[in-house]
Order: sequence, then structure tokens, then C-alpha cells
Amino acid sequence: DGGITQSPKYLFRKEGQNVTLSCEQNLNHDAMYWYRQDPGQGLRLIYYSQIVNDFQKGDIAEGYSVSREKKESFPLTVTSAQKNPTAFYLCASSRDGGANVLTFGAGSRLTVL
Amino acid sequence: AQRVTQPEKLLSVFKGAPVELKCNYSYSGSPELFWYVQYSRQRLQLLLRHISRESIKGFTADLNKGETSFHLKKPFAQEEDSAMYYCALLTGANNLFFGTGTRLTVIP
Repeated sequence: DGGITQSPKYLFRKEGQNVTLSCEQNLNHDAMYWYRQDPGQGLRLIYYSQIVNDFQKGDIAEGYSVSREKKESFPLTVTSAQKNPTAFYLCASSRDGGANVLTFGAGSRLTVL
Repeated sequence: AQRVTQPEKLLSVFKGAPVELKCNYSYSGSPELFWYVQYSRQRLQLLLRHISRESIKGFTADLNKGETSFHLKKPFAQEEDSAMYYCALLTGANNLFFGTGTRLTVIP
């Protein structure tokens, strides 16, 4: 069953803690993306990676970090520096590094208590 | 700076009526635009893109560079069209900007 798997689906975190969201794809896509979705604000790009061992900041990268050690995996760490981390996080991938046709995961909802 | 505007957060139409979801963009380069859709309990997915000039599920969208618009249209709405619709703009930096979305409800 090909696609993008995000885990966990729901996550609760105390203030001051870092948390890592997992994103794995078996589509053999080159590029992967992390978006944040907030009510009334649409999707905003956090980070993206077009190839292994390379990634670029999106519009709201502050307080987040990523790695791309394997083609299939693009984990997102929400650090304690992120001032408003409670949100819905979406991972996506695309073939050939083009962001035009994205395949999305089901999302992870992070709540900071 | 690039921007995508979807002026309607909510849109309700009756089944069989025409529907138009508005999208306006602001971008200094050559725009490449898309519509993504999220049905209830499903993942966000691509509906159509302007370069394909195709009709998907009866929906069409024409890029109007003069009015900087990419409105999504369907002549006869169906109940299964009820969903959240996002307009998106691809910039030269390989960054896909999304609008804030319009929730379409088709009333039986």
C-alpha cells in the first residue's frame, strides 16, 4: 500500500519539551515537505527537502528542525523555541522535486499543554 | 510578495446549482496554479492544475492573468462535492503557497 505515513496521529507535549513527528513515504518520491495547518490560515510551509541530505526553510521555519538522511524519511522536530506549536502538521511528497503535485499524509495533531 | 486569496470561508449551494469557488493570486512571476480538495475523513489531494486544462469530476478552472484569478467552477453541484477546497500557487522557489480554503456545502 503506497503512500505517506505520519505518526503519531495525536501527540501531547508539555511546554519546554521537544517533540519529533515522523513522516515516511514508500512512493520513491524525491521531494518531501512539512506544512502547518491552523484554522483560518490555510497551509504554511515549514521546511522542504528536494534530495537526501539537503533541505530548505519555508515561510515559518523558526522553532522547527528537520533532517533528510534517507529518501523515505523526513522527520520534523518541534523545539521548545516554537512559540505556538499547537497545530495540525501535514507531511507531503512529490516526484522529481517539483512541488506541483503533492501527495499528502493524514497529518499529526500536536497539542501543547 | 506572493499571495493567494480565497475570499469565501464558507459557501453553500443547492444540489444541481452552479458553483464557483473564487481564487485570486498575487505573484510577479509566471503563475502556476492548482486546486486541492479535502473530502471528509480523507487526505488533502490534488483536484486539478491549470497547465493540464482538464476537467476533473466536472470541475474546471481557467487562469485569467488579467484578473489574476483562478476560479473553480462546476455547472451542476453534487452532494459528493461537499469538501474543503484550497487554491495553491507554485512559485519559482519550488514553494507551493496555499490559500486559506473554502468549505463548500452542497445542500440536497
